[in-house]
Amino acid sequence: AAGVIQSPRHLIKEKRETATLKCYPIPRHDTVYWYQQGPGQDPQFLISFYEKMQSDKGSIPDRFSAQQFSDYHSELNMSSLELGDSALYFCASSPGLAGHEQYFGPGTRLTVT
Amino acid sequence: AQTVTQSQPEMSVQEAETVTLSCTYDTSENNYYLFWYKQPPSRQMILVIRQEAYKQQNATENRFSVNFQKAAKSFSLKISDSQLGDTAMYFCAFIPFQGAQKLVFGQGTRLTINP
Repeated sequence: AAGVIQSPRHLIKEKRETATLKCYPIPRHDTVYWYQQGPGQDPQFLISFYEKMQSDKGSIPDRFSAQQFSDYHSELNMSSLELGDSALYFCASSPGLAGHEQYFGPGTRLTVT
Repeated sequence: AQTVTQSQPEMSVQEAETVTLSCTYDTSENNYYLFWYKQPPSRQMILVIRQEAYKQQNATENRFSVNFQKAAKSFSLKISDSQLGDTAMYFCAFIPFQGAQKLVFGQGTRLTINP
C-alpha cells in the first residue's frame, strides 16, 4: 500500500538559512498534518491542512509557513533557521477530519549547524 | 486542554513475556479517540492500535490489546508474547472527535525486549 512520502529524508543547513520540506500524502487523503519531534521528545503539532485550507495551528514559529497545493501535497517552509530547529519533522495524512487515523511519513531529519 | 501522561519512561522484559504500558489522559471531551504509536530505532511512527471512546469493548490487534477505562481516563497497552521486534518507543496519543484534530502525545515509554 502507498504510504506518506517525505522529501528530503535528511537535510543539513546553516543558521539563518532557509529550508523547504515536502510531503506527499497517501492517495485520496485530503488532510495533512506537520509535527516536530526534538531529540528525546514526543512529537509536537505544528499545523494542519484540510482540502487545501489551514485547519489548525499549533506551536509553529512565525519563521515557518506551510501550504497545501491542489494535488494535496504540502510544503513546510522554514526561514532564518536556528540551532533549536534541529529536529525530526513528520508529515501525516488522513482521509478527512474527525478522528481518522493519521498515517505518518518517515520524517525529515533537519540538522542546523 | 488535553494532556496525556505516560508514567513509565523505560521498561524491559524478556522475549515471550507479557508487558503492559500505562497511559492516563485528561480531557473534558466525551467523544474522542486514543491511539498507541510505536517508534522503532528507524524513527518511523507506526500506528499500533486505536480505541474509540464510545466503544466499551477493548480494541485488539493480534498480540496487542488495550485496557480502556473511560471513567478512570486510563488507556494501557498490553503486548503478549513479546518479540525482539517490539523493541521501540511507544507513544500514547489522544485526539478529540470534533474540534482541533491534532494528536496530543504522551512523553513515551522506551520498551526493550531482551533475548
